[in-house]
Amino acid sequence: EVQLVESGGGLVQPGRSLRLSCAASGFTFDDYAMHWVRQAPGKGLEWVSGVSWNGGNIGYADSVKGRFIISRDNAKNSLYLQMNSLRAEDTALYYCAKDPTPNYYDSSGYYFDYWGQGTLVTVSS
Amino acid sequence: EIVLTQSPGTLSLSPGERATLSCRASQSVSSSYLAWYQQKPGQAPRLLIYGASSRATGIPDRFSGSGSGTDFTLTISRLEPEDFAVYYCQQYGSSRTFGQGTKLEIK
Repeated sequence: EVQLVESGGGLVQPGRSLRLSCAASGFTFDDYAMHWVRQAPGKGLEWVSGVSWNGGNIGYADSVKGRFIISRDNAKNSLYLQMNSLRAEDTALYYCAKDPTPNYYDSSGYYFDYWGQGTLVTVSS
Repeated sequence: EIVLTQSPGTLSLSPGERATLSCRASQSVSSSYLAWYQQKPGQAPRLLIYGASSRATGIPDRFSGSGSGTDFTLTISRLEPEDFAVYYCQQYGSSRTFGQGTKLEIK
């Protein structure tokens, strides 16, 4: 059974940093691209960032480009999101999501076939 | 960026009825790269449909997707009590964007 378990969320002041983690199990982690998708309270879904199976290709939404860094450790079956210079508008539930393919491309992509339960990030003073 | 507009915003129906949800794209979605998700309160989204019309693993056949180009539809043939939720469409032909969602509520 595919399981994705996010952690690392919490309350953080504007301008500070936070690192999210996603522990994956139930599938061969290094066979698939992975993503972060967020959902602001009471709002819809927004894709944040994606990374290919080997970390070689990475992409970001314009809203987080230059502030967030996605990475993965295939030996630990883990995905990460380093979030810097946080803003109030980054407040959201952050989901880890699995891609059905190994590759990440900016120009096109795939759907998300499995999702974690999310970790809540609140940016407030 | 391709903008997806879902309608209606809220759909009120009774169990046993047929639900038709719409997703319209601001430009053509290449290769029908469109997916549908179901999200219940306090839960993560669940993949229902990909490639506009292919059901994901374990999805009941009362769920069906159709459409191409800029107009796509999710149909639930006979609503079960567990189908009342929020539904999102997502295109993946040009990066990845989501619609704003349709809330399917019990009438």
